[in-house]
Amino acid sequence: QVQLQESGPGLVKPSQTLSLTCTVSGGSISSGGYYWSWIRQHPGKGLEWIGYIYYSGSTYYNPSLKSRVTISVDTSKNQFSLKLSSVTAADTAVYYCARTTMSTVTNFDYWGQGTLVTVSS
Amino acid sequence: DIQMTQSPSSLSASVGDRVTITCRASQSISTYLNWYQQKPGKAPKLLIYAASSLQSGVPSRFSGSGSGTDFTLTISSLQPEDFATFYCQQSYSASWTFGQGTKVEIK
Repeated sequence: QVQLQESGPGLVKPSQTLSLTCTVSGGSISSGGYYWSWIRQHPGKGLEWIGYIYYSGSTYYNPSLKSRVTISVDTSKNQFSLKLSSVTAADTAVYYCARTTMSTVTNFDYWGQGTLVTVSS
Repeated sequence: DIQMTQSPSSLSASVGDRVTITCRASQSISTYLNWYQQKPGKAPKLLIYAASSLQSGVPSRFSGSGSGTDFTLTISSLQPEDFATFYCQQSYSASWTFGQGTKVEIK
């Protein structure tokens, strides 16, 4: 059973960089066959896909966040990470990592529990 | 971006009711449509993929239909554990987007 777990600071100051890591267990990122995504949910709101990475390091980002987002992968630790720069209060959200199928109809089949990141001074 | 619009935004229903939630895409997305269920404080859970395929382990009372721009999630007989918020999500375009959600509450 694949499991994902987000980790990182719960509080980030405005203008700084938000950094989160997702640790995958029960399966290897480097085995291929899946993308690995970050998704966020503003408090009481809907879901916003941020971007994904493949084990090879190739990425694709939501155009609305592309200028501020970097997703990286560390296959030796079976982890992938999110960096979001120049954060504001509008970036306060629960951040999820999710395994993303590469099937014809891509979907998010396994999710982490989510971690709340608050942007405040 | 492809906009996904769900209706209704919320509904009240009783255990045993048949519940239908609609999702409309701003352009045709064939059957590149998934449905998720989210309970308070929890991550979303995949229910239906490719518009009508049931994810492994999901009860058969959940079903999906539609293609093009109009899609439906149906719960044939609502159970107490089904009270949650449901989201549709398109994967037709590379920038994946979700609907705003439909909250199913107890009547």
